[in-house]
Amino acid sequence: DTAVSQTPKYLVTQMGNDKSIKCEQNLGHDTMYWYKQDSKKFLKIMFSYNNKELIINETVPNRFSPKSPDKAHLNLHINSLELGDSAVYFCASRPGTGGFRRGYTFGSGTRLTVV
Amino acid sequence: RKEVEQDPGPFNVPEGATVAFNCTYSNSASQSFFWYRQDCRKEPKLLMSVYSSGNEDGRFTAQLNRASQYISLLIRDSKLSDSATYLCVVSGANNLFFGTGTRLTVIP
Repeated sequence: DTAVSQTPKYLVTQMGNDKSIKCEQNLGHDTMYWYKQDSKKFLKIMFSYNNKELIINETVPNRFSPKSPDKAHLNLHINSLELGDSAVYFCASRPGTGGFRRGYTFGSGTRLTVV
Repeated sequence: RKEVEQDPGPFNVPEGATVAFNCTYSNSASQSFFWYRQDCRKEPKLLMSVYSSGNEDGRFTAQLNRASQYISLLIRDSKLSDSATYLCVVSGANNLFFGTGTRLTVIP
């Protein structure tokens, strides 16, 4: 059973296109995240939702829009893709209670390449 | 200033060696600390939490010095399978902050 699953695993698309990445977790966690890992391997927080409510919205271009239809799903839609959006995008989740004692569980990542 | 600073390495060590990684963090209010491991082209996976009293999990020992805002990871008797990037991770109010990672290669 996959705990946090992301689709697609790979995405190659042209500049200017609009694309979505989907994330689902079956752990019963309350909080979900999107992180971006760039070519320098730095993992940077983008968004976080707790029980469908946006709680973190870092300085990210407004071409990026997260959507959480329910607490088990957090999708990321990107408009007008640019070359600099090429990166690996990781979804993660954690229980809403108990602080960060158990850290996060990550999805396997979506490798986005904009050409 | 970054929330978490790590030496990126790379560290190239022979099998059986002992290797230590360090990191520093900027937010003195951080409450939770972790080491994650990331293999090439894979997601980060929790290696171990770090407690103030220090903790050990097999060949891995983690230490936390709150006064100096310093975290360490010691790997004893390195195996080839330990080759990976080790990420130092610190909690914020609502999320975790990740260091850029230290790359370890264990050589036969």
